[in-house]
Amino acid sequence: GEDVEQSLFLSVREGDSSVINCTYTDSSSTYLYWYKQEPGAGLQLLTYIFSNMDMKQDQRLTVLLNKKDKHLSLRIADTQTGDSAIYFCAETRNQGGKLIFGQGTELSVKP
Amino acid sequence: EPEVTQTPSHQVTQMGQEVILRCVPISNHLYFYWYRQILGQKVEFLVSFYNNEISEKSEIFDDQFSVERPDGSNFTLKIRSTKLEDSAMYFCASSEYGGAGELFFGEGSRLTVL
Repeated sequence: GEDVEQSLFLSVREGDSSVINCTYTDSSSTYLYWYKQEPGAGLQLLTYIFSNMDMKQDQRLTVLLNKKDKHLSLRIADTQTGDSAIYFCAETRNQGGKLIFGQGTELSVKP
Repeated sequence: EPEVTQTPSHQVTQMGQEVILRCVPISNHLYFYWYRQILGQKVEFLVSFYNNEISEKSEIFDDQFSVERPDGSNFTLKIRSTKLEDSAMYFCASSEYGGAGELFFGEGSRLTVL
């Protein structure tokens, strides 16, 4: 069945780059998403990529998609303490928009 | 910036009681969703709703659950007889184009069943 996997924790120093990785199993995925969840808050859409793209850049965020390996990554340049949160990878395959989420990666940014 | 709003932010209820969670999706969106996140677990899809009917539902979404769009702005999730295991954060989401692009989530409604 469909599955999305992420590592649970990542710790970086302020100013460094963070790379959060995600793997998925559904070769029919059409869109892949990154959401950010701060403590006690909802899911904030950061960025998304269509499956026929390899890369998407949006300010400090770079998304890389390797469709052959079913691997998605989110790079955050110049990571700040305000970037500390849980980052969820998600994918969808259907027009209806049902998303399958990973378990989330908790990013800790140390000053 | 338009946003999805949810009420209440937190509801505590006794087991067996009915609960209604409310959502106001973004106004020009056509696709509506409910997801839930049990503490420490993945965000799980419950149901999608389009053109005034359920378009897809998960196995979690059994007969105890129902959704409704009672007017042009609200989208509700009803749990008829709550169980302890229904305790979770419930997220409403909406999208203009379904699975083809941005899907925006609300802040969530935390349901605690005692």
